[in-house]
Amino acid sequence: GEDVEQSLFLSVREGDSSVINCTYTDSSSTYLYWYKQEPGAGLQLLTYIFSNMDMKQDQRLTVLLNKKDKHLSLRIADTQTGDSAIYFCAESVQAGTALIFGKGTTLSVSS
Amino acid sequence: GAGVSQSPSNKVTEKGKDVELRCDPISGHTALYWYRQSLGQGLEFLIYFQGNSAPDKSGLPSDRFSAERTGESVSTLTIQRTQQEDSAVYLCASSRETGSEAFFGQGTRLTVV
Repeated sequence: GEDVEQSLFLSVREGDSSVINCTYTDSSSTYLYWYKQEPGAGLQLLTYIFSNMDMKQDQRLTVLLNKKDKHLSLRIADTQTGDSAIYFCAESVQAGTALIFGKGTTLSVSS
Repeated sequence: GAGVSQSPSNKVTEKGKDVELRCDPISGHTALYWYRQSLGQGLEFLIYFQGNSAPDKSGLPSDRFSAERTGESVSTLTIQRTQQEDSAVYLCASSRETGSEAFFGQGTRLTVV
């Protein structure tokens, strides 16, 4: 069955890079997404990658996909205190199914 | 509308009462999803709609939970005879088509006392 796993917590210092990891089980995933949830707010799409890509860069964000190992990572360069939030990894397995989410990684940035 | 709108934003209800949660998706989005987020937990899939039909109801926790969607627009999630374990944030999302980028509402925080 489908399953998406993430580590629950990550703590970094301001200015450092953050790397949030995610593993998924279904090799037929088409799109993989990263969502951000700030305290008391809904989920906001940060970025996504199509399964035939290895890497996608968007300003401070870099997404790496290792399809062989079913491993997805999100790297945030020059992490700021405003990046403190919960980050969810999600996969779209196939047309006609809902997105499957991980439990989320809480990123804490200290100054 | 410009985004996914959910109402109410907060709901406090007594145990045993029924509640209705509403979701207005982005206009033109055919897919609509309901998720539940309990304190300290990830997102739990409840149900999704493709148009007005619900191909996957597998996430509904019990027969006290039901949902409907009309006019390929508004959806209502109903919880009958609420229990304290139903307390959570209920999130709605919509997308142009199933499996594409989903846009989330702000959620309804349900507290059963």
